[in-house]
Amino acid sequence: KQEVTQIPAALSVPEGENLVLNCSFTDSAIYNLQWFRQDPGKGLTSLLLIQSSQREQTSGRLNASLDKSSGRSTLYIAASQPGDSATYLCARGGSQGNLIFGKGTKLSVKP
Amino acid sequence: GAVVSQHPSWVICKSGTSVKIECRSLDFQATTMFWYRQFPKQSLMLMATSNEGSKATYEQGVEKDKFLINHASLTLSTLTVTSAHPEDSSFYICSAITPNQPQHFGDGTRLSIL
Repeated sequence: KQEVTQIPAALSVPEGENLVLNCSFTDSAIYNLQWFRQDPGKGLTSLLLIQSSQREQTSGRLNASLDKSSGRSTLYIAASQPGDSATYLCARGGSQGNLIFGKGTKLSVKP
Repeated sequence: GAVVSQHPSWVICKSGTSVKIECRSLDFQATTMFWYRQFPKQSLMLMATSNEGSKATYEQGVEKDKFLINHASLTLSTLTVTSAHPEDSSFYICSAITPNQPQHFGDGTRLSIL
């Protein structure tokens, strides 16, 4: 069974701190790896998409890496801000666009 | 602005009622739409994949007769929860894709069955 695991389940940090969210997946034959942000009661906002042939992607203060051999991806958030508080979801993408999600990491950035 | 519109955002209804949820791609033609369900503190789980003009493909364990999916056009897919019961209460969310474009999600529908 294909699974996606995210650690930690919750994280609280002071404003300005750099942080890393972890994601692991069981099948190395992935099509892509995606990171999303979900605010309470809301839909998902796509943050970064890493194709299987890529090692990392960057957008602003966010950097995501992909290591297929070890089945791991990390999301690095630099200089965290209270507005970054949300649940961050990692998802393994299939060739048809279907996604297998982890349970997410709930991030709280304290002012 | 939103590129995928999902309606309604919140539904409360009595047990036995059928509920229809709409998912629309606003400024692109979606070749495929997906329906996910999320229970509290759980992952989003794929329920079904919907391609325009063809029958939806359901994931294992999802009752196709209970969760009716219609994808009649390239911009609209509907999910009907038939004879809903309290255990169907959940957060339902759709997404839409078109080739070479990022996947876009709706804002979700919170369904509460009393």
